[in-house]
Amino acid sequence: AQTVTQSQPEMSVQEAETVTLSCTYDTSESDYYLFWYKQPPSRQMILVIRQEAYKQQNATENRFSVNFQKAAKSFSLKISDSQLGDAAMYFCAYTSRYTGNQFYFGTGTSLTVIP
Amino acid sequence: ETGVTQTPRHLVMGMTNKKSLKCEQHLGHNAMYWYKQSAKKPLELMFVYNFKEQTENNSVPSRFSPECPNSSHLFLHLHTLQPEDSALYLCASSQTIKRDKREETQYFGPGTRLLVL
Repeated sequence: AQTVTQSQPEMSVQEAETVTLSCTYDTSESDYYLFWYKQPPSRQMILVIRQEAYKQQNATENRFSVNFQKAAKSFSLKISDSQLGDAAMYFCAYTSRYTGNQFYFGTGTSLTVIP
Repeated sequence: ETGVTQTPRHLVMGMTNKKSLKCEQHLGHNAMYWYKQSAKKPLELMFVYNFKEQTENNSVPSRFSPECPNSSHLFLHLHTLQPEDSALYLCASSQTIKRDKREETQYFGPGTRLLVL
């Protein structure tokens, strides 16, 4: 079965600095999607960034970028120029491109931004 | 605002009560999901509906009963719950495209915080 592991329960970063959140996953499939979701204290989960496994280029969205290492099954999120509004729980998630409707989430990383 | 709404936002119920959670999506999606979110645990996928058909039921106890009358609405009927069922229940939707291409980015509602006494 697929699993998603986030080994950092909590992280902190100084405002305007850069932080990297780690995620590893286990799968035997070759084609899948990976996601980072953000859940602020208001609780609405929102998509931060999305990566398609068949694309070698790392996804970027403004200050958010990923380091996708397919062979290592690693999918880390880099947040540059951290802002106070980035404080939230961050969840890494996986779903297969073709088979079923299962989504697998990690346990999350709580990010604190220090002013 | 993600286009997915959930009501109520908070719910307290006794173990003998019957209540329902409602989810509505305004995104034109055709797949809807119920998740359970407990502290220190990964999100647990409970049910999936695709084009109003239930496609996943992850060994969820029968005291949780989903209903999907159309692609825009999803309900979770609750009865004789246990205190360990207290959690945040999240609804999500996505656009599933048949054949060989899927767009599976999920859009989440704000959740219903459930407390079972």
